[in-house]
Amino acid sequence: KAGVTQTPRYLIKTRGQQVTLSCSPISGHRSVSWYQQTPGQGLQFLFEYFSETQRNKGNFPGRFSGRQFSNSRSEMNVSTLELGDSALYLCASSRTSGGAPDTQYFGPGTRLTVL
Amino acid sequence: GENVEQHPSTLSVQEGDSAVIKCTYSDSASNYFPWYKQELGKRPQLIIDIRSNVGEKKDQRIAVTLNKTAKHFSLHITETQPEDSAVYFCAASHPAGGDINSSASKIIFGSGTRLSIRP
Repeated sequence: KAGVTQTPRYLIKTRGQQVTLSCSPISGHRSVSWYQQTPGQGLQFLFEYFSETQRNKGNFPGRFSGRQFSNSRSEMNVSTLELGDSALYLCASSRTSGGAPDTQYFGPGTRLTVL
Repeated sequence: GENVEQHPSTLSVQEGDSAVIKCTYSDSASNYFPWYKQELGKRPQLIIDIRSNVGEKKDQRIAVTLNKTAKHFSLHITETQPEDSAVYFCAASHPAGGDINSSASKIIFGSGTRLSIRP
């Protein structure tokens, strides 16, 4: 079974631009979560999507948004990029069969650099 | 708000010795505690997890203990080897909205421990 994939793997943008990152979960997984990883802040939870609905949200500004499609693929968008948005963005998928938290499997991440 | 504290931030042990990483969490509703290992330039990989109805779980050289009363859990690696060198993250997950029957959950990660194994 193929693992979680993310595209693109690397991205360079300038301040003020917007960016869209994509995540394809493991086949059969319906939950996709997004995280921002920086050396100083560790792994910060952005949001989680399940059945095309955002179920959970972290403490990030409204510039960070996402969506999920009917095939469970998810996209994350960051508008009006700031230098501080430079980070590794990881998505993780889980089966979420119900009743208890499921194991999350991470993708390789998208390294975003904002100049 | 929810918080997971992880200590130490860096740890260096002699090959063959044991390593222990400790985490505490703030939300008593947390019921799932995974541990991830992240090697340089790679994605986090689950190495072991424990649920709140279990006090200890072991998988070969790795073990995790959970004390729900004190709200802390620990990772123990015995007979460390060079390939154990990595950053380790603990995490705590609780049902969204406090609904224990909800499959929705929010995972809060600790700040990570950089483990180095000295040959």
